[in-house]
Amino acid sequence: DTAVSQTPKYLVTQMGNDKSIKCEQNLGHDTMYWYKQDSKKFLKIMFSYNNKELIINETVPNRFSPKSPDKAHLNLHINSLELGDSAVYFCASSQGGRGGGEKLFFGSGTQLSVL
Amino acid sequence: GDSVTQMEGPVTLSEEAFLTINCTYTATGYPSLFWYVQYPGEGLQLLLKATKADDKGSNKGFEATYRKETTSFHLEKGSVQVSDSAVYFCALRGGGNEKLTFGTGTRLTIIP
Repeated sequence: DTAVSQTPKYLVTQMGNDKSIKCEQNLGHDTMYWYKQDSKKFLKIMFSYNNKELIINETVPNRFSPKSPDKAHLNLHINSLELGDSAVYFCASSQGGRGGGEKLFFGSGTQLSVL
Repeated sequence: GDSVTQMEGPVTLSEEAFLTINCTYTATGYPSLFWYVQYPGEGLQLLLKATKADDKGSNKGFEATYRKETTSFHLEKGSVQVSDSAVYFCALRGGGNEKLTFGTGTRLTIIP
């Protein structure tokens, strides 16, 4: 069984559209994250949730809205997509309470291409 | 704020060569240090970690020693294999901080 699974794996869409990426973890972890990896492989945290509560919100446009219906799921909704949103988005989870964990388990990524 | 600087890639080596990927950091307090590896088409996975000065993390033949005096955590392996081809990320978690800060990643390619 995949520990952290995210869908879709590839997402190609037009500028201005709204899209969602879903993430689920079956590890029983308390904390989930969204990371963005740009074309140069630079990895930057976007959001972190602990037990459905937002604990990290980096400087991300408010077009990006995470939603955590329960602690096993953290979805990412993006409104009015822009060319610069093209990247690989990684979901991750860890165990460790509000401080998060040191060992993150990553999904395999969603490659978003905005045309 | 916290930051991680690692050597720019790509790095290309022959099989059985010695590997060093440099990583230095800036952080307040006493951070924990990590190396993550990303194999092609996969998410990152933890390779090794060290939580205090002079600790050595090791896994799969890779090693890194936490050097507080030089604020470094260089990754080394004595004899690389083709299967080690991946992108390697150095990361830190500062004391009292709730997030991991990653370096920019170093792509490693091993040729037979």
